[in-house]
Amino acid sequence: GQQVMQIPQYQHVQEGEDFTTYCNSSTTLSNIQWYKQRPGGHPVFLIQLVKSGEVKKQKRLTFQFGEAKKNSSLHITATQTTDVGTYFCAGGSGGYNKLIFGAGTRLAVHP
Amino acid sequence: KAGVTQTPRYLIKTRGQQVTLSCSPISGHRSVSWYQQTPGQGLQFLFEYFSETQRNKGNFPGRFSGRQFSNSRSEMNVSTLELGDSALYLCASSLAGSGGATDTQYFGPGTRLTVL
Repeated sequence: GQQVMQIPQYQHVQEGEDFTTYCNSSTTLSNIQWYKQRPGGHPVFLIQLVKSGEVKKQKRLTFQFGEAKKNSSLHITATQTTDVGTYFCAGGSGGYNKLIFGAGTRLAVHP
Repeated sequence: KAGVTQTPRYLIKTRGQQVTLSCSPISGHRSVSWYQQTPGQGLQFLFEYFSETQRNKGNFPGRFSGRQFSNSRSEMNVSTLELGDSALYLCASSLAGSGGATDTQYFGPGTRLTVL
């Protein structure tokens, strides 16, 4: 079946360092979404990418969707302690609201 | 606008029992999806309902079922509980969900189910 692989599983950075998480799908995606889940919380939507090669920015966060629509990345510049949490990518398969989630990357930021 | 609500928040059951979880979507949202979250398997799609119809389902056994009411509220039921069903069950609502792009999913706080 369709799979979305996400790496790394865990990333520990010093505050101010950059962070990147990568997602790869076994099949072409119709779109990809990114979510953040704080410890003890629930996933919160960050962004959706639909077009091939799309790049979107939200302040210190940069999201990219690959040309083949099979991979994506999230880059955080100059991490802050508020960035702590698990970042998930989720691929849309074209089926109604069926998202295939990556395993997530847990980000720890040390001051 | 109130967010997605789920009840109960915590539940403890024993093997063999059944359980019903409830989800109230954001007002105006007609699509409700259910996900199971475990440390080992991550977030896995269970099923999605729209206008009281199941439009999509994941790869879970028939013990997992759901329904949606005319007011868009949804319930999921797990029968004959197994130890492996212990998980956080998340409900997400969205406006509609076309066949192309996927709607933004607004997740509820989840129901933490423990099976003993």
